[in-house]
Amino acid sequence: DVKVTQSSRYLVKRTGEKVFLECVQDMDHENMFWYRQDPGLGLRLIYFSYDVKMKEKGDIPEGYSVSREKKERFSLILESASTNQTSMYLCASSTLDLHNEQFFGPGTRLTVL
Amino acid sequence: AQKVTQAQTEISVVEKEDVTLDCVYETRDTTYYLFWYKQPPSGELVFLIRRNSFDEQNEISGRYSWNFQKSTSSFNFTITASQVVDSAVYFCALSEPDNAGNMLTFGGGTRLMVKP
Repeated sequence: DVKVTQSSRYLVKRTGEKVFLECVQDMDHENMFWYRQDPGLGLRLIYFSYDVKMKEKGDIPEGYSVSREKKERFSLILESASTNQTSMYLCASSTLDLHNEQFFGPGTRLTVL
Repeated sequence: AQKVTQAQTEISVVEKEDVTLDCVYETRDTTYYLFWYKQPPSGELVFLIRRNSFDEQNEISGRYSWNFQKSTSSFNFTITASQVVDSAVYFCALSEPDNAGNMLTFGGGTRLMVKP
């Protein structure tokens, strides 16, 4: 069974903390994505990566960074968490083939106090 | 302007009713792909269907059917004889050729509640 896993389902952090969200996929996919999901706004792309050590900004990269040191792992980093980063974060992966579907993890609900 | 619009934020139906979820998209490209995903309460988005812009045939899969109409830029999703297990948030998404890395543009989602 193919899987995308995320390190935490729920996370509570304080303003100013550095936050790491981890995502691992076991499908040998080249592409990996980080989205945030907010009511009424759907999913918005933060960053994606098409290869190890490669990254591209999505629609809302401000306040975030990413790391991809291994093909199966893609980390999202909040350098200094703020309350407006309280959200659901979803990781996804896909093959390089154009327009293929993305496979999603269960999400991490992050609350920043 | 939003590229993918799901005007219905929330729909409530009683079990066995038919329900249609609307999706309107905007693109200047002639080649593009449209997707529907389901997000049950567990949180994980589940892929339902992908349709390319050159295939306007309607698709049926069990109780699910999709109506793609290029003339109105719509890709609507109908659930026939809804069940409680259909309760979820449903997302429509667009993939365009200039989207690097298979990027998807999502609509705002429609929350469907099916009551017993």
